[in-house]
Amino acid sequence: DAKTTQPNSMESNEEEPVHLPCNHSTISGTDYIHWYRQLPSQGPEYVIHGLTSNVNNRMASLAIAEDRKSSTLILHRATLRDAAVYYCILHSGGSNYKLTFGKGTLLTVNP
Amino acid sequence: GAVVSQHPSWVICKSGTSVKIECRSLDFQATTMFWYRQFPKQSLMLMATSNEGSKATYEQGVEKDKFLINHASLTLSTLTVTSAHPEDSSFYICSADGPRTDTQYFGPGTRLTVL
Repeated sequence: DAKTTQPNSMESNEEEPVHLPCNHSTISGTDYIHWYRQLPSQGPEYVIHGLTSNVNNRMASLAIAEDRKSSTLILHRATLRDAAVYYCILHSGGSNYKLTFGKGTLLTVNP
Repeated sequence: GAVVSQHPSWVICKSGTSVKIECRSLDFQATTMFWYRQFPKQSLMLMATSNEGSKATYEQGVEKDKFLINHASLTLSTLTVTSAHPEDSSFYICSADGPRTDTQYFGPGTRLTVL
């Protein structure tokens, strides 16, 4: 799977929007962009994923660049419960697939 | 929906003993389950992929005789750490392919401490 690059850490204030960037310049045409997050001392949880178009769900929005070499996870109003490590992962989908976790971005949310 | 549980949530054992960790999909069937290990302040590392009714596929560098994986049913996979040593102390996390084939559902993790 292609590699992703994320900032090691970011900080935000409660109730403000957060934009978490991810670079994936070697993405292939069949790679989906997945985001998972891991709260302290817990297993990861799925956040959102997309292929080419921007995606929205109840947790977040995913903005994908036109050339697909970068994407941004958007939390519209950060809460203290959003403090976690956010992982941007590429995968070409299908069944029986493996996820390769990078170091992710540690998001700190200030009250 | 799509809940994965792990048992126990934490375990402390003596060096040389074996420890079994269970991973269950509570409200769906999982053909494939994955086992990860996470050391403090590090990312998740995939250990193995297990498919129901067949042998697990281990990642390079993971000792299959030390980390025994059994996926006997569509809702249960077990990881047994045999002859555990202090360096095996880690956070073990399982996941399962769930109702959505493009999403993995993770368990809450099991913290293993080997004295």
